[in-house]
Amino acid sequence: AQRVTQPEKLLSVFKGAPVELKCNYSYSGSPELFWYVQYSRQRLQLLLRHISRESIKGFTADLNKGETSFHLKKPFAQEEDSAMYYCALKGGYNKLIFGAGTRLAVHP
Amino acid sequence: NAGVTQTPKFRVLKTGQSMTLLCAQDMNHEYMYWYRQDPGMGLRLIHYSVGEGTTAKGEVPDGYNVSRLKKQNFLLGLESAAPSQTSVYFCASSSSFSGTGETQYFGPGTRLLVL
Repeated sequence: AQRVTQPEKLLSVFKGAPVELKCNYSYSGSPELFWYVQYSRQRLQLLLRHISRESIKGFTADLNKGETSFHLKKPFAQEEDSAMYYCALKGGYNKLIFGAGTRLAVHP
Repeated sequence: NAGVTQTPKFRVLKTGQSMTLLCAQDMNHEYMYWYRQDPGMGLRLIHYSVGEGTTAKGEVPDGYNVSRLKKQNFLLGLESAAPSQTSVYFCASSSSFSGTGETQYFGPGTRLLVL
C-alpha cells in the first residue's frame, strides 16, 4: 500500500537551531516525493521536489531509498519558517498521497 | 494569471442543506482534484478528474459529488451536509504530463462549517 508517515505532529525549536522534519514512505516502485508548506491559513505551496535536489529557503531533502525516507532539513531555523509542512508521494494521474503533516514552531 | 481559485472562501451550512464549491484554473491543466484537510489527517483526496467530462473517486468520496463540464472548472457538491463534513476544502490542478517533477498547484481553500 502507498503510504506517507510523518511521525511528529509538532516540532518546536528556537531560532537558529537545526531542524529535521521526518517523512517515511511506503511505495512499490520508484517513488517521487515532494514537500509542501502551508503558512497560516494559506494555500499549500510546493517547497521541494526530490528530483530537483535543490535548496529552497535553506531547506534540503534527500531521498533515501534504503530507509524509505525523505526528511526535510534546515541548518538554522528562522521564525518565518513557522508553518505546517506536508510530505507527499505522487501516484497515478499525478495524484498526491499526503502525510498527516508536521507543524514547525520556531521561537525567538 | 490567477492560477487556481476557489469560491466561496467561507460558508456556514445547517445540517441537511446543500451547496456547491467552485474551483477554476487558468493554466489549461487537464487534471483537477478536490481534497479535504482535517487536523491530524493531512489532506485526503475526495474526487478527481483527468479531463473534461470525466470524474473518479478518491479516498473519501462518500457524501460528495463532482462535475467537470468545462476544462477550467471543477465543482464539488454536498447534497445533504453533515457536521462530519466540516473541513477546509482545497482544489488543485496539474498538467497531464506524468514525468518526474510534475505536481499539483493548489487553490486558497474553502472553509466549511456545518452546524
